[in-house]
Amino acid sequence: AQSVTQPDIHITVSEGASLELRCNYSYGATPYLFWYVQSPGQGLQLLLKYFSGDTLVQGIKGFEAEFKRSQSSFNLRKPSVHWSDAAEYFCAVGAKAGANNLFFGTGTRLTVIP
Amino acid sequence: GAGVSQSPSNKVTEKGKDVELRCDPISGHTALYWYRQRLGQGLEFLIYFQGNSAPDKSGLPSDRFSAERTGESVSTLTIQRTQQEDSAVYLCASSLDRNIQYFGAGTRLSVL
Repeated sequence: AQSVTQPDIHITVSEGASLELRCNYSYGATPYLFWYVQSPGQGLQLLLKYFSGDTLVQGIKGFEAEFKRSQSSFNLRKPSVHWSDAAEYFCAVGAKAGANNLFFGTGTRLTVIP
Repeated sequence: GAGVSQSPSNKVTEKGKDVELRCDPISGHTALYWYRQRLGQGLEFLIYFQGNSAPDKSGLPSDRFSAERTGESVSTLTIQRTQQEDSAVYLCASSLDRNIQYFGAGTRLSVL
C-alpha cells in the first residue's frame, strides 16, 4: 500500500537560510510524486511534480526536489528561504492507474524567523 | 472558472444534523476528488468522480457520507447525522487528466 512519511512536523529557519524538507514514500513501483504548499486559509498549491525522467525537478517559487529511488525519498529544497515561504508543506504520492488519488504525508510546518 | 471553488468556506453545525458541502471544479476538468483533512493530519482520500460516475468510493468513512456529481461539473458531499469526529476541513480537487490535481480552499466543518 502507498504511504508517505514526513518526519519533521515543524521546522524553523532564518530568512535567507537554506531549507530541506524530507519526504519518504512507500510504493510498489515508481510513483508520481508531488509537493504542495498550503498557506493559512488557502487551498493546496502545487509546487512541483515528478513523473519520470530527470530526477531533479524544478518548481515554482525557487523550490526544487530530487527523486532518489534507492532511498525512496523526494526531498524538497530551497537555497534561500523568504519570509513568505512560511506555510505547511505536504508531500504526496499518486498511483499511475485507477483513480490516481493522492496519498499525503502529515505535513511539515515551516516557520521563518527574521 | 479560474480555480476550484468550494462553499461554504466555514460551516458550524450541531451534532446529528445533516450538512451539504459544494464543489465547483475547474471548467472542463473531468475528474473530481474529495479529501478530508483533520487537524494536524494529512489529507485522506474520500471519493473520486470521473464524469458523473464514482468508480472509487473506497475512502468514504461510513454510510453517513455520500457524494454526487451532476453535469460533469458541480459536486456535493453530504454528511448525514454529523458527529464530532466529522469536524475537519473538506477539500475538493479537480483534474483534467488525473495526473495533476488542483485544490480548492476547502470547507471547514465544525460539529458542536
